[in-house]
Formats: sequence, structure tokens, C-alpha cells
Amino acid sequence: QKEVEQNSGPLSVPEGAIASLNCTYSDRGSQSFFWYRQYSGKSPELIMSIYSNGDKEDGRFTAQLNKASQYVSLLIRDSQPSDSATYLCAVRNSGGGADGLTFGKGTHLIIQP
Amino acid sequence: EAQVTQNPRYLITVTGKKLTVTCSQNMNHEYMSWYRQDPGLGLRQIYYSMNVEVTDKGDVPEGYKVSRKEKRNFPLILESPSPNQTSLYFCASSRYFGRDNEQFFGPGTRLTVL
Repeated sequence: QKEVEQNSGPLSVPEGAIASLNCTYSDRGSQSFFWYRQYSGKSPELIMSIYSNGDKEDGRFTAQLNKASQYVSLLIRDSQPSDSATYLCAVRNSGGGADGLTFGKGTHLIIQP
Repeated sequence: EAQVTQNPRYLITVTGKKLTVTCSQNMNHEYMSWYRQDPGLGLRQIYYSMNVEVTDKGDVPEGYKVSRKEKRNFPLILESPSPNQTSLYFCASSRYFGRDNEQFFGPGTRLTVL
């Protein structure tokens, strides 16, 4: 059973600070990793994807990947109240067949004004 | 506008009454998938389809059926719904080939089975 683990939170961060979200995964063959943001009652929306070890930056968001440690993280700089949401880590399944994603249960992030 | 649509958005039904939730995408995506989302359990895949007439079970397929007769449509069928199928359901689609296969999600269908 392929697993993706996240701390459920809530993670409370002051406005303007850096929010750090973490994710570990069990499928060592996985090559594609995604971070989705989900507001309460809404559908997940993709905010970052990362495929290679290291950092990938997009605006206030930075994704970090370490395949040796099977670890993915998301940093949100200058956190805003609108960043308050649940963040889902998703890992694309390796091997033939499904080509689907395994999702973590999500981390609930609260940005305090 | 590129999008995934689902209908209905909200549905309250009774045990045993067959229902269908429709899903349609206008991006010519090969891959389509159904998920259910429950508190504390996250998003779990029910069924997926890699192309027309090609479907397979995900992690929680019991009690569900799907079909893929056209590329754009992927309906989810509950032949005899039960209360444990009360959940928030999402349809998603993506390009099959290539690793950069962002999944686009529909708006969700909130189903209550009494």
C-alpha cells in the first residue's frame, strides 16, 4: 500500500511569517510530486509540482524534494490570511497501470492576522 | 474555459435508490478519475479510466460502478447506495502521457444517503 504522510495540524503561523509544510512518501519509485491547496468545501487546486531533487520556487511558494529521504516540503513566504487552507501532498504512483495520485490527508494551515 | 463539471452538486437520497453522478471534461484528457473525500481519511480513489472503454478499480471501489463510453464523460454509478457512501465526491482529469500530468478537479458533489 503506497502511503503519503502529512501532519494534520492545525499549523498556526503569524501573518508575514514563513509556513513550512512537510510530507513523506513510501513509494521509492515515485518521480512526480504535487502540492494542492483546498479551501473548505471546495475542490483541490494545484499550486506546485516538483520532479527533481532540490528547490523549485514560484512566487511566494517553494517546493523542496529529497528523493533519498522520500521527503517533500512546501514553504510559503510572507504568509497571508488567504493562505489559510488545507494543503494536500500528492505523489504520482510509479509502475504501470494507474498513473494516478496518492494523496496525503492534508495539513490544515491557519494564518493568524 | 477548460474545466471539469459535475452534476448534481448536492444530492440527498435514500438507501437503495440508484443514482448517477455525471462528470464531463472539455480538455480532451485521456485520464479521468473519481475520488471520495471523508474527514480524517483524505482523498481516496474510487475508479479511474485511462481512455475510452478502459476502466479500473482504485483503492475503494466497493459499491460503485463507472463507464467510459466517450472520452469527455465519466459517470459514477451507485446501484444501491448505503449510508456509508455519504461523502464528498470529486471527479478529476489529466493527460495520461508524460509526468507533467496535472489533475484538474471538478467542483465536487456532496452526497448524503439516508
